[in-house]
Amino acid sequence: SQQGEEDPQALSIQEGENATMNCSYKTSINNLQWYRQNSGRGLVHLILIRSNEREKHSGRLRVTLDTSKKSSSLLITASRAADTASYFCATDGEGASGSRLTFGEGTQLTVNP
Amino acid sequence: DGGITQSPKYLFRKEGQNVTLSCEQNLNHDAMYWYRQDPGQGLRLIYYSQIVNDFQKGDIAEGYSVSREKKESFPLTVTSAQKNPTAFYLCASSIGTGTVKNTGELFFGEGSRLTVL
Repeated sequence: SQQGEEDPQALSIQEGENATMNCSYKTSINNLQWYRQNSGRGLVHLILIRSNEREKHSGRLRVTLDTSKKSSSLLITASRAADTASYFCATDGEGASGSRLTFGEGTQLTVNP
Repeated sequence: DGGITQSPKYLFRKEGQNVTLSCEQNLNHDAMYWYRQDPGQGLRLIYYSQIVNDFQKGDIAEGYSVSREKKESFPLTVTSAQKNPTAFYLCASSIGTGTVKNTGELFFGEGSRLTVL
């Protein structure tokens, strides 16, 4: 079953603008991860945030986690055309081995030059 | 370079045929996974293996089979029992649960696109 749901399904912005994508999930988690997928390629890990963390940064990426609302957001600042891709959140279940992730359906981001 | 290699990249199958997708990793990871992705959708787990000679069904295992005879290899067979096999198949690996280094991060191959004619 799909645990994570991304919002919006598609997002189109201009280069230089910020892009925000949201993820909601249903059950308690140990951690939440964000992945990126270029068209027709495999997924690439971007960032992981643990259930006891509220915010994490990596370069132009900022991730927040609100466990009370069971939601996370991914912010990409100063976007570039090369950021065009699909972005997925993935969660593991609390108490699980941590080796089995459930992915959402993704947000398709288009950054126009 | 360390990574995951999937082959073939594109595969065509006639109805009623079994096909096997290859997945090899040289990351020395214990755990390996197979996901299916349909257009515009997320990933659904088919099978996963946390250690050699052991594997478990995921959410959509019907019509698929796997083996894990070697740590490096986790081939997926799409059998004729799979009613709608046309999809993009992704193999992934992770360090595994038996180490403090495990973060659950997955490393993906570049995928295999299967089309049934």
